[in-house]
Amino acid sequence: AQKITQTQPGMFVQEKEAVTLDCTYDTSDQSYGLFWYKQPSSGEMIFLIYQGSYDEQNATEGRYSLNFQKARKSANLVISASQLGDSAMYFCAMREGGSGTYKYIFGTGTRLKVLA
Amino acid sequence: EPEVTQTPSHQVTQMGQEVILRCVPISNHLYFYWYRQILGQKVEFLVSFYNNEISEKSEIFDDQFSVERPDGSNFTLKIRSTKLEDSAMYFCASGFRDRTYEQYFGPGTRLTVT
Repeated sequence: AQKITQTQPGMFVQEKEAVTLDCTYDTSDQSYGLFWYKQPSSGEMIFLIYQGSYDEQNATEGRYSLNFQKARKSANLVISASQLGDSAMYFCAMREGGSGTYKYIFGTGTRLKVLA
Repeated sequence: EPEVTQTPSHQVTQMGQEVILRCVPISNHLYFYWYRQILGQKVEFLVSFYNNEISEKSEIFDDQFSVERPDGSNFTLKIRSTKLEDSAMYFCASGFRDRTYEQYFGPGTRLTVT
């Protein structure tokens, strides 16, 4: 079973508009972390934002915010005021607490295209 | 700001050859990882390394793969006899035990097997 599901293979957004990228996850752990990474065409993985399972507040980092709904097991990324440079692949990832290795499990990604 | 570095950035090799991908993790980190991303697909976990030994490996990480931390700074991934399907981007990551267990990714090595 998929542990991280990103159902939007591709998204378009108009410059300066906000966009939400969906991510749902599945885990039986009580302690886990959720991450979003941006991967531009150059290929590197750029950390955007982190949400811990015990964090009561939704995480925010500049124009990025994470809409964390624990009961629904969703961790959607919201990008406000989109810029052309936001065009990239976006991956949601989960770090489970139980294994001790703290490995990440990634979703299949969403390709975002920002339109001028 | 400290960062994870990887060399080479691109490696082309012939099927059946051995390759070694090199990584220099961030110096005070304790956990080390290799991930693989086949072109157009998601990033997949290969192996994690802690306290000088493998702590977990995926099904992908078969006997053709090995990892080593030969000194205090380098972390290497060796593929003994490369196959066409090993062509991918290989990411090294490192992390330490803090609140988030965030992993810091290197820029990746693109491996092309011909």
